[in-house]
Amino acid sequence: GAGVSQTPSNKVTEKGKYVELRCDPISGHTALYWYRQSLGQGPEFLIYFQGTGAADDSGLPNDRFFAVRPEGSVSTLKIQRTERGDSAVYLCASSSLAGFGNEQFFGPGTRLTVL
Amino acid sequence: AQKITQTQPGMFVQEKEAVTLDCTYDTSDQSYGLFWYKQPSSGEMIFLIYQGSYDEQNATEGRYSLNFQKARKSANLVISASQLGDSAMYFCAMSRGTSYGKLTFGQGTILTVHP
Repeated sequence: GAGVSQTPSNKVTEKGKYVELRCDPISGHTALYWYRQSLGQGPEFLIYFQGTGAADDSGLPNDRFFAVRPEGSVSTLKIQRTERGDSAVYLCASSSLAGFGNEQFFGPGTRLTVL
Repeated sequence: AQKITQTQPGMFVQEKEAVTLDCTYDTSDQSYGLFWYKQPSSGEMIFLIYQGSYDEQNATEGRYSLNFQKARKSANLVISASQLGDSAMYFCAMSRGTSYGKLTFGQGTILTVHP
């Protein structure tokens, strides 16, 4: 497809469960970002990949959150032992170069609800 | 640390009129990027305009222009000839001036265009 895709679009889970959120960036984009957006707030940075490696994971809130990008394309955000406070929209973005001035293209997001 | 402040929770404008959305920023970096994104009710983030800290001229993209006042650390978005489809949430964001595209977002401004 032409844009960034994310699956699932919605995920409802129970407290304590494990979830995986997938992001498929624009083909050829080397930089991939995950953000989290709570209701009524701006997106907050979680992690950034340049190729296969996590260049900056300083935004991950705790060790329950982990992300991978094994082949430098698709990325998976993994959340263990989910808590109600994890409920948010998780946004993925990609860009062609990891330099400022390079537009980040965002996906539609995954809305995570933890009951 | 970088910080973006958008002081207008909501703005109203008449169709075909111009509107200015305020954004101030705080950073100790000499080089950085400033961005505006639009988020309609569908949830997807749409890139509007970019301004680099060393750019001397204000950026323009169609009906959008960025009023960059470096000394005042402001990067206001001006939308000319508002359209009903401009009704959305608008986010100001900034990136650090390295080969690194992590974005720091403001709280957003909801714009409503009246017919």
